[in-house]
Amino acid sequence: QVQLQESGPGLVKPSQTLSLTCTVSGGSISSGSYYWNWIRQPAGKGLEWIGHIYTSGSTNYNPSLKSRVTISIGTSTNQFSLKVDSVTAADTAVYFCSRASTENYGSGRRGFGMDVWGQGTTVTVSS
Amino acid sequence: EIVLTQSPATLSLSPGERATLSCRASQSVSSHLAWYQQKPGQAPRLLIYDSSNRAIGIPARFSGSGSGTDFTLTITSLEPEDFAVYYCQQCTNWPPNTFGQGTKVEMK
Repeated sequence: QVQLQESGPGLVKPSQTLSLTCTVSGGSISSGSYYWNWIRQPAGKGLEWIGHIYTSGSTNYNPSLKSRVTISIGTSTNQFSLKVDSVTAADTAVYFCSRASTENYGSGRRGFGMDVWGQGTTVTVSS
Repeated sequence: EIVLTQSPATLSLSPGERATLSCRASQSVSSHLAWYQQKPGQAPRLLIYDSSNRAIGIPARFSGSGSGTDFTLTITSLEPEDFAVYYCQQCTNWPPNTFGQGTKVEMK
């Protein structure tokens, strides 16, 4: 079955760029109708959706982070990636990647929940 | 932006008791709501999608209901492994793909 694994630096300096990769194994990132998501969770707090990318490459971002976030997909590498620019201590969190199946709905799309998750990776922003 | 409000924040129950968790949306999400369970140090696990459909491998003691703006997750008889934090998420009106703030089910 499909598995996801996050990777990237665990420590990032303030004002620098946080870069994470999610590797998809057990299936092709290009097959099916899926959104590939990034979610984060500060210690002791709830889940915050960062954004997602569709298999076609189209993206949606959380408006609260949109100006600093880029999600990209690599079909040849079977990976998708997250970049967050100009990080501060408020970006310290556990970062998860996940998969959500989706279908056309009205003039847009809708999802069926995130059925596959990575184990999460802790990113600390500190000098 | 749709806001999801979960209640109560904490539910203190004993094994064998029934748990009823609520999720209210600030505007209609039709039936496009999912529920997740998260245990400490773990990723969330999908329990319910489309308001009432159990995900693969989820025990029958978990059930979901509701449509529009009001949703409920029910655990009919709590097992020791069910004590965790539960989140709802709307799956139709993004961005953002909103989560509720969570309900912690703790052992009494």
